[in-house]
Amino acid sequence: GQNIDQPTEMTATEGAIVQINCTYQTSGFNGLFWYQQHAGEAPTFLSYNVLDGLEEKGRFSSFLSRSKGYSYLLLKELQMKDSASYLCAVIDSNYQLIWGAGTKLIIKP
Amino acid sequence: IAGITQAPTSQILAAGRRMTLRCTQDMRHNAMYWYRQDLGLGLRLIHYSNTAGTTGKGEVPDGYSVSRANTDDFPLTLASAVPSQTSVYFCASSDSTQGGADTQYFGPGTRLTVL
Repeated sequence: GQNIDQPTEMTATEGAIVQINCTYQTSGFNGLFWYQQHAGEAPTFLSYNVLDGLEEKGRFSSFLSRSKGYSYLLLKELQMKDSASYLCAVIDSNYQLIWGAGTKLIIKP
Repeated sequence: IAGITQAPTSQILAAGRRMTLRCTQDMRHNAMYWYRQDLGLGLRLIHYSNTAGTTGKGEVPDGYSVSRANTDDFPLTLASAVPSQTSVYFCASSDSTQGGADTQYFGPGTRLTVL
């Protein structure tokens, strides 16, 4: 079966750095997305990786290793507004998007 | 530009009743999707449409039906609601005919409770 694993919940301190990991086992791979979802709101796009390596976008970076079936989202200079769930999703060989359950990130002052 | 709108925002429904959740996008995207999101589970695809006039079944299609008469609208119908359909429903769209390969943009969601 297809599976995406993310930690259920993480806690970090304002101003710090946090890394949210995502491992996947899917039938094929055509790319990986990270989305942010604030409580009670819709998911919004953060990043897309299809090649190995690091993609940097401001305070957020996303890394992919296809050989290891692994990605992480790195958030720097954490702000209170970064408290949200972070969803990892993989495009499989049929171009269907497989979603992880999400990681709830709690930021403390 | 509104993006994607969904209606209603929330609804409490008696079991056995019929219900249609509405979704409209103004981005002229080819593909549209319906997901349900339950606590502790990832987004699960119910139905999708890669282009107007075509639809397909997702991971959890039973008890739901969709239609795609035009590019903008993608309603989801529960023919006879059951309590296990209590969930938050998200509609999404993408400018892609290749399934989920392109960035998806989500509507604000409909919170449905079936009693």
